[in-house]
Amino acid sequence: QSVLTQPPSVSAAPGQKVTISCSGSSSNIGNNFVSWFQQLPGTAPKLLIYDNNNRPSGIPDRFSGSKSGTSATLDITGLQTGDEADYYCGTWDNSLSAGVFGGGTKLTVL
Amino acid sequence: QVQLVESGGGVVQPGRSLRLSCAASGFTFSSYAMVWVRQAPGKGLEWAAIISYDGNNKYYADSVKGRFTISRDNSKSTLYLQMNSLRAEDTAVYYCARVRGGEMVTRNDYWGQGTLVTVSS
Repeated sequence: QSVLTQPPSVSAAPGQKVTISCSGSSSNIGNNFVSWFQQLPGTAPKLLIYDNNNRPSGIPDRFSGSKSGTSATLDITGLQTGDEADYYCGTWDNSLSAGVFGGGTKLTVL
Repeated sequence: QVQLVESGGGVVQPGRSLRLSCAASGFTFSSYAMVWVRQAPGKGLEWAAIISYDGNNKYYADSVKGRFTISRDNSKSTLYLQMNSLRAEDTAVYYCARVRGGEMVTRNDYWGQGTLVTVSS
């Protein structure tokens, strides 16, 4: 059981928008920054979003993040087949004194 | 460019030890916290341990606390993970990653390619 809860899978058609949720608690998301990672099949994870809504250089603005209370959201617009991947949220947990990840969400672009 | 190269993985029997290394280049290693993240076959990411830029602060996941030790040698730009009393459930690909801006965050902005550890008799 992951500390952060994500839907196991989401799907949408090319060009459409998809939203991936990440639910936590006051000990983690509620009081810390959230990051999002993309893991393409067979590759290492890649940082997509940091500090809730910031994109590292090179990440297209089709990817955006937000946070409200103890939940965070990753939005992907203009879906492309190359976006098919696993997506993970992550943050620090003050009670555990450790980092935590969500269980991951598999995105399928139909 | 930033490069992180893990090594030291392999097959090990339960109860034995293994040390992983992560060689860093392309940035000032001594200025960044570093983290180990693992991924069991077919499973999600699991945060394992983090060390501050100077090695003075270390934090561990409960699943590895007391068995694993994270350390670094800034003179060699290398991160380590000493894994003792290994269990079957420690079988995973182990990634090292650079952490941007402190250690109690998950801004893992560069990742290595991972090294596979298999614990089996």
